[in-house]
Amino acid sequence: EPEVTQTPSHQVTQMGQEVILRCVPISNHLYFYWYRQILGQKVEFLVSFYNNEISEKSEIFDDQFSVERPDGSNFTLKIRSTKLEDSAMYFCASSEAGPGIGYTFGSGTRLTVV
Amino acid sequence: GESVGLHLPTLSVQEGDNSIINCAYSNSASDYFIWYKQESGKGPQFIIDIRSNMDKRQGQRVTVLLNKTVKHLSLQIAATQPGDSAVYFCAEVRDNYGQNFVFGPGTRLSVLP
Repeated sequence: EPEVTQTPSHQVTQMGQEVILRCVPISNHLYFYWYRQILGQKVEFLVSFYNNEISEKSEIFDDQFSVERPDGSNFTLKIRSTKLEDSAMYFCASSEAGPGIGYTFGSGTRLTVV
Repeated sequence: GESVGLHLPTLSVQEGDNSIINCAYSNSASDYFIWYKQESGKGPQFIIDIRSNMDKRQGQRVTVLLNKTVKHLSLQIAATQPGDSAVYFCAEVRDNYGQNFVFGPGTRLSVLP
């Protein structure tokens, strides 16, 4: 079964550093998403991406965050100048055509900011 | 300090019994709902979905019920098994054009032997 792959599975970074979280969506999917889950809390939407541009973003997704699809397979989330409160699980998801069709989550990257 | 979110509602059921997990959603314009299962350290895993033009949908051992009048969603798991132990989230798409899900706070299902 096709999977959304995320790397690394765990990243530790110092406060103020930049991190890039990587995702390989399912190959025929057109919509890409990042979500965040702070430990013990619900999953929160960050951003959706379609046709090489951001289509929606939440208020969490401020200027500290950016997304990119640098090639035909990767979808990245960059966090500039990380803060302690950025520590969370970050999930990538992709879908064929909006959330109703083949919407699949990756296993996540645990980001720990120290 | 400790987050309120760490105190997820917990449902404990005996193995073999049926489980019912409830979720209230907030937006009457939401037209699509999904139940997800999340095991420790893993991403959300699709269980079953339902559109707003339906009030019931059945899968293998799972049934989702939608009550639009009171904006309530439930997940019924028949003959609960130890492998069903996880946190269960409902998620809604908040408008016809939105592509992102809004997740509920989650319920932890604990299956007792």
